[in-house]
This record gives sequence, C-alpha cells and structure tokens, in this order.
Amino acid sequence: NAGVTQTPKFQVLKTGQSMTLQCAQDMNHNSMYWYRQDPGMGLRLIYYSASEGTTDKGEVPNGYNVSRLNKREFSLRLESAAPSQTSVYFCASSAPGQGSSYEQYFGPGTRLTVT
Amino acid sequence: RKEVEQDPGPFNVPEGATVAFNCTYSNSASQSFFWYRQDCRKEPKLLMSVYSSGNEDGRFTAQLNRASQYISLLIRDSKLSDSATYLCVVNEYSSASKIIFGSGTRLSIRP
Repeated sequence: NAGVTQTPKFQVLKTGQSMTLQCAQDMNHNSMYWYRQDPGMGLRLIYYSASEGTTDKGEVPNGYNVSRLNKREFSLRLESAAPSQTSVYFCASSAPGQGSSYEQYFGPGTRLTVT
Repeated sequence: RKEVEQDPGPFNVPEGATVAFNCTYSNSASQSFFWYRQDCRKEPKLLMSVYSSGNEDGRFTAQLNRASQYISLLIRDSKLSDSATYLCVVNEYSSASKIIFGSGTRLSIRP
C-alpha cells in the first residue's frame, strides 16, 4: 500500500516549456487535490477532483490544467511554465469521513524550478 | 484578513517544556478542523482532528472555541522529535474546495 505517489520528485524547466506532474493513489479515495506551497504562504489549492470524471478550480488555477484519468490518477499540466510557478507541488487524496470531515493524505511532493 | 491565521514562530523551547499554538479562522460557518505536522522538506501529515469537546492524543491536546473562532494545540513534555511545522487546517461548508491551510507555526525543540 504505497498511499499517494508523485512523479517526478524534482524538475527544472525553462520559461515556456510544458510538463505534466503525475499523481496516483491506491486508497480507493474519491477526492484528489493539487496544491502548491510557497514560503510563508501555506498550501494553496490549484485544482481538485471530488470524484472520477469531475474537476474544479481551486484558489490559484491560472496557468494549470488537470486531468482525472481514472479513480487512481490525477495529473497536473503546466502548458507554458513561468518563473512564478516555481514552487513545491503536493498531490493529496481524501475520502469524506463522518461529519463531512476531509482528512487528507499527501504525496511526497514535486520541487519545480522554472528559470 | 487571512482566512486562517497562525503565528509563524519560530517557537524555540527546551525539551520537556509545554508549548501551545493558536490558530484563528474567519468563517464562522467552518465545519471541521485539523492539525497537520510537516517536517522540513516533507509532505504534511495529519496529526489530529479537532473536535468541539476538545480531544487528546497522548501528549497532544486540541481545543476548539467556536465562539471566538480559534483552535489550539498543546504539546506537553516536548521531545526533540516534535520539531516541525504545525499547520492549522479548516474545512468550510463541507466542500472539498474550501479546505484552508494556515501558513504554519515552526517549532524547534532544543536539548
């Protein structure tokens, strides 16, 4: 049981390049999320998927697209990377618990630098 | 005003001390509350949920004050291994899109 896995762990891109961050979970969770974490700003939600086949924007969606490929996988794509997208990206998953609580399980993160 | 606010610290306390963090939230309709722990360059991990009546897990005690809209975390008999950043998390409206993370409080335990 690997939990939430993310690839790659590190990536350096030049401005304007594109890439896809991969995320997979083996806990049969319905909900999956993409966050970015910047110093002093906490985690900010980019996109989320409440269930297979649905995706919705979070707080900071501009410059990103997502695909919920199946229940296990949720990918994040940067079409034209910008230096402002330099960050640590975390994928997470959750299954709604009692009382509508959303305890989340995180992947190890992808450290992305855009030069 | 930020939706979830925490004192960034760092808190630097000796081993064995008791330390407390507070977190305030702005939306009175918030429904569920958590404390996560994040080690340096690692992913956040759930430390404990916070229930209305308060709850304890070993050396850790969490309290919720809905009237004043704050959550607290108390760590007793602190260990070197407690050194980490503690994130306050608030879930509004029972919606996946409204999970708000505080920016975290750094705790450093010295021998």
